[in-house]
Amino acid sequence: ILNVEQSPQSLHVQEGDSTNFTCSFPSSNFYALHWYRWETAKSPEALFVMTLNGDEKKKGRISATLNTKEGYSYLYIKGSQPEDSATYLCAFMGSGGGADGLTFGKGTHLIIQP
Amino acid sequence: NAGVTQTPKFRILKIGQSMTLQCTQDMNHNYMYWYRQDPGMGLKLIYYSVGAGITDKGEVPNGYNVSRSTTEDFPLRLELAAPSQTSVYFCASSPGHLEAFFGQGTRLTVV
Repeated sequence: ILNVEQSPQSLHVQEGDSTNFTCSFPSSNFYALHWYRWETAKSPEALFVMTLNGDEKKKGRISATLNTKEGYSYLYIKGSQPEDSATYLCAFMGSGGGADGLTFGKGTHLIIQP
Repeated sequence: NAGVTQTPKFRILKIGQSMTLQCTQDMNHNYMYWYRQDPGMGLKLIYYSVGAGITDKGEVPNGYNVSRSTTEDFPLRLELAAPSQTSVYFCASSPGHLEAFFGQGTRLTVV
């Protein structure tokens, strides 16, 4: 069983503040690292798929970095807004590609306070 | 833009009953997955398929069966439902290592 850890488990942030959280994953047999955004009563939606060590991805105010050698990824949100409130999931994909499925962390539950 | 469609959205089963959760996708994705989500536990992989006619067990397959007779459909069968199978079930598909697309989920309660 693969170990994908996310921290913190939950986070309260004031509107306008920036924040970040962590995903750690096995550094061996790496193929890809996914980030998903999961709003209450909806289904997860992909934010980023990263495959290369040192990868940085950005979408609006959200960005992510990847370190495959040490097995961690950071997700950053700049200038948090109430609509950023959601659970953020990371998922590890091993060297089998999609053939082994995605192993998800338990998520970071982000609450933006006005 | 149907994407991944799951039915039903909600279901209550009695212990020992059986049911099939339906999942269909119209994106011609080879890979399809079934996950269950329990509070505080994240998404756990039940079964997955890399193409029609091929299925494999994930992390928590006991009590479930799947089939993949077509690229589009990946039904999940629960035989002899147990209270431990009370959960929210998500079907997903992907074109390989790229992003997965999820259905809206099925909330199942076994009483």
